[in-house]
Amino acid sequence: DTAVSQTPKYLVTQMGNDKSIKCEQNLGHDTMYWYKQDSKKFLKIMFSYNNKELIINETVPNRFSPKSPDKAHLNLHINSLELGDSAVYFCASSQGSQVHQPQHFGDGTRLSIL
Amino acid sequence: QKEVEQDPGPLSVPEGAIVSLNCTYSNSAFQYFMWYRQYSRKGPELLMYTYSSGNKEDGRFTAQVDKSSKYISLFIRDSQPSDSATYLCAMSASGNKLVFGAGTILRVKS
Repeated sequence: DTAVSQTPKYLVTQMGNDKSIKCEQNLGHDTMYWYKQDSKKFLKIMFSYNNKELIINETVPNRFSPKSPDKAHLNLHINSLELGDSAVYFCASSQGSQVHQPQHFGDGTRLSIL
Repeated sequence: QKEVEQDPGPLSVPEGAIVSLNCTYSNSAFQYFMWYRQYSRKGPELLMYTYSSGNKEDGRFTAQVDKSSKYISLFIRDSQPSDSATYLCAMSASGNKLVFGAGTILRVKS
């Protein structure tokens, strides 16, 4: 049974489009994250939510908007997609927002902008 | 200069070898240190966590932190082909935001 699931796994779209990535966790965790992993494999935090409240909001363009309808879900909406948005986006969850709590990652959404 | 530097490899070793993976960092405020393992086309998974300086051992894995040198290491004993993956170091100052290294690709040949 998948712990952190992301949909879709692959997303190929044109520049300028708007797209959403969905994430769900069934671990009962109260903290969820979005990370971006670029072509050089750097994994960078974008957002973090604890109990549906935004607690980390890194320097990310306004075109990226996270939404947490409940503790088990954290979606990422991206407006006006640009070539530089091509990357793998990972959702993760943990029990508590302290880093020593293991973060459980999904398998990523591979976004390619044409 | 990046906050966390990690040699991307690839590092190729024969089965049974001892593997040493390393990261250096520049932010002296870092006090939480982790190693994550990432298999191809999968998300990272936490391997080891260390708070402040010292060593921690878990089975074939040993994590070391030397805060005076701003240097952390992960040792893998008796390496197996199943250890072939990308190893990411990660660290934090505040305790709620992780900064990752770029990852080292490890290949263990049977």
